[in-house]
Amino acid sequence: SQTIHQWPATLVQPVGSPLSLECTVEGTSNPNLYWYRQAAGRGLQLLFYSVGIGQISSEVPQNLSASRPQDRQFILSSKKLLLSDSGFYLCAWSTGASTNEKLFFGSGTQLSVL
Amino acid sequence: SQQGEEDPQALSIQEGENATMNCSYKTSINNLQWYRQNSGRGLVHLILIRSNEREKHSGRLRVTLDTSKKSSSLLITASRAADTASYFCATGSGGSYIPTFGRGTSLIVHP
Repeated sequence: SQTIHQWPATLVQPVGSPLSLECTVEGTSNPNLYWYRQAAGRGLQLLFYSVGIGQISSEVPQNLSASRPQDRQFILSSKKLLLSDSGFYLCAWSTGASTNEKLFFGSGTQLSVL
Repeated sequence: SQQGEEDPQALSIQEGENATMNCSYKTSINNLQWYRQNSGRGLVHLILIRSNEREKHSGRLRVTLDTSKKSSSLLITASRAADTASYFCATGSGGSYIPTFGRGTSLIVHP
């Protein structure tokens, strides 16, 4: 069966520090991968998605970046965090078989930038 | 951009009652999905209904889709305290891989 791992669960970082959040998927090949951010009490904002190794699409211009160094690994990074980067970050995957299929989410990372 | 918008934003009911949440959207869709999110956790997929379907059931969940009104409803029957969570609709359209999520309905079920 497929599983998705996302870590860390919580993170407190000072403004201006770097960020690296990692997400890995097991039990499937060539998944579509996604990073979402959720502000408190709000909906999900798509940040990045990837349909293959090295293929990253950005939905929102910001100081965050994403990379996909391996088929089932997706990394969210920042060189210098801003206060506005605080939020709940969710990684997700879907099969690449067709469009608009269901997403499987990780357990999320609560990031607080102070 | 957010296409689906859930209504109401918050819903508080007693255990055993039914809970109904609605989702409206603006453009034509291929499918509509409902997800559940427990506080501080990731989203869990509940049900997917395609544009050529009108109703779908899964356990205590019943989803309807009215493409003429561009709306969907999620009914949870005989609610339990464990159903307390936020519920999101997500629409898929065109050739995009990516469902677009609404802001969610926060459901509280009092024991």
